[in-house]
Amino acid sequence: AQKITQTQPGMFVQEKEAVTLDCTYDTSDQSYGLFWYKQPSSGEMIFLIYQGSYDEQNATEGRYSLNFQKARKSANLVISASQLGDSAMYFCAMREGQTGGFKTIFGAGTRLFVKA
Amino acid sequence: EPEVTQTPSHQVTQMGQEVILRCVPISNHLYFYWYRQILGQKVEFLVSFYNNEISEKSEIFDDQFSVERPDGSNFTLKIRSTKLEDSAMYFCASSDPGQPFNQPQHFGDGTRLSIL
Repeated sequence: AQKITQTQPGMFVQEKEAVTLDCTYDTSDQSYGLFWYKQPSSGEMIFLIYQGSYDEQNATEGRYSLNFQKARKSANLVISASQLGDSAMYFCAMREGQTGGFKTIFGAGTRLFVKA
Repeated sequence: EPEVTQTPSHQVTQMGQEVILRCVPISNHLYFYWYRQILGQKVEFLVSFYNNEISEKSEIFDDQFSVERPDGSNFTLKIRSTKLEDSAMYFCASSDPGQPFNQPQHFGDGTRLSIL
């Protein structure tokens, strides 16, 4: 079974608008962390935002926020005021605290296209 | 801001040859990882390394692969008898001490390995 599911292979958004990238996860651990990474066409992996399973408030980092709904096991990334430079691949990822060891499990990614 | 550095950025190797990919993790990090990303696909965990030994490895990380921390700064991935299907981007990552599941992994820019 997929541990991280990103159902949107590609998304388009108009510059300056907000966009939500979906992510659902599957774990039986109580302790886990959820992460979003950005991968531009140049290939590097850029850490964007983190949400812990015990965090009661949604994480925010500048224009990025994470809509964390624990009961639904979803951790959607919201990018506000999209910019052309936001065009990239976005990966949702999870690390499990008890059974998962140290590895990060990635979803298949969503490619975001920002239109001028 | 400290970075994970990887060398070389691109490695071209004949099938059957051995290749060593090098990484310098962030200096105060204690957990080290290798991931690979076949073109157009998701990022896959290979191995994690802590306290001078492998802490976890995936089914991909078979006898063809080995990791080493030969000194206090470098972390290497060796691939023996390379095959065409080893062609991929290989990412090194490291993370802070403390609870590993809630620490983001900081990625290097990757080494693109091309097997001919």
